[in-house]
Amino acid sequence: DSGVTQTPKHLITATGQRVTLRCSPRSGDLSVYWYQQSLDQGLQFLIQYYNGEERAKGNILERFSAQQFPDLHSELNLSSLELGDSALYFCASSVATGGGLETQYFGPGTRLLVL
Amino acid sequence: GQNIDQPTEMTATEGAIVQINCTYQTSGFNGLFWYQQHAGEAPTFLSYNVLDGLEEKGRFSSFLSRSKGYSYLLLKELQMKDSASYLCAVLDSNYQLIWGAGTKLIIKP
Repeated sequence: DSGVTQTPKHLITATGQRVTLRCSPRSGDLSVYWYQQSLDQGLQFLIQYYNGEERAKGNILERFSAQQFPDLHSELNLSSLELGDSALYFCASSVATGGGLETQYFGPGTRLLVL
Repeated sequence: GQNIDQPTEMTATEGAIVQINCTYQTSGFNGLFWYQQHAGEAPTFLSYNVLDGLEEKGRFSSFLSRSKGYSYLLLKELQMKDSASYLCAVLDSNYQLIWGAGTKLIIKP
């Protein structure tokens, strides 16, 4: 158990819909990262937040948005869903103050299926 | 651009030793990570190297040569449960983690 929690574990929805994925980081971690992993593909970095502020952006679609709240939990919003958005979505957290403290610990993931 | 290369797939025998290589070209270097990922599960942290040399942790060891832009993960006394993907990732000068595509390791009895 990494200490990072994600809800829900599974999500089935239809094309065109909007969903929200939630992540709570490990106690003491200030940074949250979101990743997308399609079947048999590598990890695709989406976005990073640090202490409530956006720190880095990866290959995140305009239909996707995220935020980190004052209690440091984060939400990833996916809208106008397409079949190709079906994937595992991971959240990770780290202390993010350099060196080994950049080690990211991953939550169990949310498996999204768009029908 | 930034690039991390790992073999796509490797096969090894239970009880044997396997070495998974990783070469990188990144904008700066602040450390290299290895993660293990079983199919359908989250990546789990294995090791972090920032200085040249070998770091040993039980059956797993990780080596780094910064001058060569090269690392390897060494797995000894392979067990069936070691069948997984192994991800190499480099922390660049902006403290962004650049991920390799991963090496799928298949262990045969």
